[in-house]
Amino acid sequence: DIQMTQSPSTLSASVGDRVTITCRASQSISTWLAWYQQKPGKAPKLLIYKASGLESGVPSRFSGSGSGTEFTLTISSLQPDDFATYYCQQYNSYPYTFGQGTKLEIK
Amino acid sequence: QVQLQQWGAGLLKPSETLSLTCAVFGGSFSRYYWSWIRQPPGKGLEWIGEINHSGNTNYNPSLKSRVTISVDTSKNQFSLNLSSVTAADTAVYYCARVAGAVYDFWGQGTLVTVSS
Repeated sequence: DIQMTQSPSTLSASVGDRVTITCRASQSISTWLAWYQQKPGKAPKLLIYKASGLESGVPSRFSGSGSGTEFTLTISSLQPDDFATYYCQQYNSYPYTFGQGTKLEIK
Repeated sequence: QVQLQQWGAGLLKPSETLSLTCAVFGGSFSRYYWSWIRQPPGKGLEWIGEINHSGNTNYNPSLKSRVTISVDTSKNQFSLNLSSVTAADTAVYYCARVAGAVYDFWGQGTLVTVSS
């Protein structure tokens, strides 16, 4: 299985900050990577697909980049609604696997 | 707008079989794969498996011996059976639509607790 490792596990930031979350794959996955946002008690929401594709309806302050084994999710200017947990997911090969999550907290 | 609505038993005893069903409303049922994903309390997401309208399936090898995913195209529904459950299977179970191998629409989630 391809292991996905996110860093940091927890990130404290303030409204207006620019934040970056990193996701590393245990082997190359080209750009077959997605990012999701999850709020407590809710299902995950797709933000980014194919490493940098912005899902319809997702604000442009979210962006993704990377290829191979290292990927980043950047939020350019944090809004109150962005405090949540973020997961990466690889879909290069079965079984599809997720990172352990990054909890974005209010500083 | 696509909506997924799921249901099933929320409390099981060890060794019982978990059964959940997900109904799809809106959109095309036959154009996509449909998946089950679970999340233990306070933990990350685990892919269980997927199925298409023809009944073609892919399963996570870690669960394959205990998992069956089936489809009922007449009702636009798909189901998950997980046999011989233990406490380690306690989780919120989600159904989701697979669009290019990512999950763009999700069910509301069902908490399944395994306890004697």
